[in-house]
Amino acid sequence: EDQVTQSPEALRLQEGESSSLNCSYTVSGLRGLFWYRQDPGKGPEFLFTLYSAGEEKEKERLKATLTKKESFLHITAPKPEDSATYLCAVQAAGNMLTFGGGTRLMVKP
Amino acid sequence: DAGVIQSPRHEVTEMGQEVTLRCKPISGHDYLFWYRQTMMRGLELLIYFNNNVPIDDSGMPEDRFSAKMPNASFSTLKIQPSEPRDSAVYFCASKPSGTSYEQYFGPGTRLTVT
Repeated sequence: EDQVTQSPEALRLQEGESSSLNCSYTVSGLRGLFWYRQDPGKGPEFLFTLYSAGEEKEKERLKATLTKKESFLHITAPKPEDSATYLCAVQAAGNMLTFGGGTRLMVKP
Repeated sequence: DAGVIQSPRHEVTEMGQEVTLRCKPISGHDYLFWYRQTMMRGLELLIYFNNNVPIDDSGMPEDRFSAKMPNASFSTLKIQPSEPRDSAVYFCASKPSGTSYEQYFGPGTRLTVT
């Protein structure tokens, strides 16, 4: 059974304080690992897809990396508007995604 | 594109009543997914369709839940009879054909069953 574990559950940062969110996964035949951002009262918003170990993708202050067992979402010099819940999901065979529990990020000014 | 559209955005109903949630996927997307999100269990896949045909409904909790997709631009998720434990946010998502394209989520329907 596919499993995704995200840590920490919650993270408080000061504005400008860089950090990383972790997504550990167990899956048979990874086809893709996805990062989403979810704001309160809204649906998850797609950020990145990673397909193979060693791959990296960047968008503004966010950088996602992938190894064979985990993915990291690095946040560089975060701003208050980066506050949200970040979700990680894996896709194995078929088109189904298995989501982790998310990391709730709070960035204080 | 308007994105995935869901209605209603909020639904409050009494236990035992029938509830119908609606979804319009992004035009041209062949896959449609229904999810449920709760604090305890996170985001869970209930059922998904490909070209209007249900492919996997193993996540549907029980027979009280049913989903249909009569055409490429409309899907419903029905709960009959509803129970308090069905209270959650229900999301619809869609994606185009292809192995690993990302799913695009709607804004969700917050269901409260009293």
